[in-house]
Amino acid sequence: KNQVEQSPQSLIILEGKNCTLQCNYTVSPFSNLRWYKQDTGRGPVSLTIMTFSENTKSNGRYTATLDADTKQSSLHITASQLSDSASYICVVSNYGGSQGNLIFGKGTKLSVKP
Amino acid sequence: DSGVTQTPKHLITATGQRVTLRCSPRSGDLSVYWYQQSLDQGLQFLIQYYNGEERAKGNILERFSAQQFPDLHSELNLSSLELGDSALYFCASSQTSGRTNTGELFFGEGSRLTVL
Repeated sequence: KNQVEQSPQSLIILEGKNCTLQCNYTVSPFSNLRWYKQDTGRGPVSLTIMTFSENTKSNGRYTATLDADTKQSSLHITASQLSDSASYICVVSNYGGSQGNLIFGKGTKLSVKP
Repeated sequence: DSGVTQTPKHLITATGQRVTLRCSPRSGDLSVYWYQQSLDQGLQFLIQYYNGEERAKGNILERFSAQQFPDLHSELNLSSLELGDSALYFCASSQTSGRTNTGELFFGEGSRLTVL
């Protein structure tokens, strides 16, 4: 069964600290993996998209890694800011299927405290 | 601003009623997707349209239906509403038809439906 599991479910860190969010997937065949940031009550916003051949991708203070062999991805946030408080969603898509086959994780809820 | 517009932003209605949610995709995007997000749950794919035609179907209830019009805007119709239908409904758009799966998805701000 195609699944995306994220950990931890929630995380609290102090402003200025770094953190890493994890995503494990069992989606096959794999097309790409995306990380989205979703502020409470708002629509998700894309952070990165990685295909099979990409190991790492950065977007400002956000760096995503992908290990297609172990089917794991991580999102590293550097020097966290209060505005990073949000849910971070890992999404994996199947190769060759409809984009309706995007499989969403349940997200990691990050709280950055001053 | 993603460029995807959803209306209404908030909607409160009673059980058994019918509502219509509207989505205008980004200029130039031919695909529209609808998602449901219940409280503290992940996004659940409902349905996708590409250039007016249904492209993919997810866990959409028979009480729900959608369509995409010639001007590419889309409407999601929810009928015989139940308490459990209370959720955020998101629309997303992309340029791709869905075959390549590499297209960027742009989400609207959502319509919050409350069924009392």
